[in-house]
Amino acid sequence: EDKVVQSPLSLVVHEGDTVTLNCSYEVTNFRSLLWYKQEKKAPTFLFMLTSSGIEKKSGRLSSILDKKELFSILNITATQTGDSAIYLCAVGEMSGGGADGLTFGKGTHLIIQP
Amino acid sequence: KAGVTQTPRYLIKTRGQQVTLSCSPISGHRSVSWYQQTPGQGLQFLFEYFSETQRNKGNFPGRFSGRQFSNSRSEMNVSTLELGDSALYLCASSRDRGRGYGYTFGSGTRLTVV
Repeated sequence: EDKVVQSPLSLVVHEGDTVTLNCSYEVTNFRSLLWYKQEKKAPTFLFMLTSSGIEKKSGRLSSILDKKELFSILNITATQTGDSAIYLCAVGEMSGGGADGLTFGKGTHLIIQP
Repeated sequence: KAGVTQTPRYLIKTRGQQVTLSCSPISGHRSVSWYQQTPGQGLQFLFEYFSETQRNKGNFPGRFSGRQFSNSRSEMNVSTLELGDSALYLCASSRDRGRGYGYTFGSGTRLTVV
């Protein structure tokens, strides 16, 4: 069973629309939730969230975490064609030996049409 | 500063062969993590190296191994290649362990097994 589930898996919208991407997770020892943008090969870091209810913002992108309901959303307002990418959600756990590797969701493939 | 460098960029191997991939982290980064990305499974954690020691390992068979050198450069090796090993292999470096937000990914090595 997948520990990190993203929805939708793909999304096509028009330029200027606002989109909301979802990420739900189920892990034992939650440490952090991260969002990445992958355009061609190398995922690039967007946000790291550790506390509930605190919105992180960067330009037209914002994200928030709900640790009670175990989910996060990534919002993109006034979308542009350059926002077309795969958006990855990842969860980090703590283990007895320190921090584990990240568990990634399968990603949301976002396509922005002009 | 130079980013994370992975070599080679592309590789074609036949079943049964072995392959070695290389990752040079950002200068000063001591942690190197490896991930496998496939369309069906998404990004999956392989292992993490820190100070020349494997610190964490994902759920992959023993055919997948790695090492880290004193200059923090890392290699991963896959022996007895199978068709299912075809994937994009990404490495990510960070200054310290467990700092998912500090991950910088390389552009990956695209491995095709025929």
